[in-house]
Amino acid sequence: AQKITQTQPGMFVQEKEAVTLDCTYDTSDPSYGLFWYKQPSSGEMIFLIYQGSYDQQNATEGRYSLNFQKARKSANLVISASQLGDSAMYFCAMREGGRNEKLTFGTGTRLTIIP
Amino acid sequence: DTGVSQNPRHKITKRGQNVTFRCDPISEHNRLYWYRQTLGQGPEFLTYFQNEAQLEKSRLLSDRFSAERPKGSFSTLEIQRTEQGDSAMYLCASSSGQGSTGELFFGEGSRLTVL
Repeated sequence: AQKITQTQPGMFVQEKEAVTLDCTYDTSDPSYGLFWYKQPSSGEMIFLIYQGSYDQQNATEGRYSLNFQKARKSANLVISASQLGDSAMYFCAMREGGRNEKLTFGTGTRLTIIP
Repeated sequence: DTGVSQNPRHKITKRGQNVTFRCDPISEHNRLYWYRQTLGQGPEFLTYFQNEAQLEKSRLLSDRFSAERPKGSFSTLEIQRTEQGDSAMYLCASSSGQGSTGELFFGEGSRLTVL
């Protein structure tokens, strides 16, 4: 079974609108972390936001927020007031267990912001 | 701090040749990861070092692949007898293992094309 599932291969959003990128995960480990990374055309993976499995509050970082629904095993990324520079690939990733463990990535969603 | 540096950025080689990629992590980071990313996919874990010790290797890392981190600083990833299926982006990441998230910091990758 896939550990990270991103069901939206591509999305087109009007500039200044909010967008939600879906991510569901599968793990039996009670301790895990969820990450979102942005990958522009340059190729570098840029860390956006993190949610720990024991965190009570949904994570927020500027225009990024993570809609964490533990019972549904979903960790959707919400980008508010989208900008042209948000056009990129977005990857959801999970780390199971301790802080030093590897990340497992989903297949990504290509977001295109339309002016 | 210059971030994670990878060289070369692009490599074109003929099938059967050997190639080597280098990764210089962020200087204070003791953990270093190699990932492989093929077109349309998320990064796949290859191997992980803590200081000079290689702690985990993926099944994806066949016996043609070898990674080293001899002094716990930079790392090399060598692919012997390259095959066309090795064509991919090879991403290096590092982390300090500290802080609340333990996020990985990625380089811009080394793109390999095997003809």
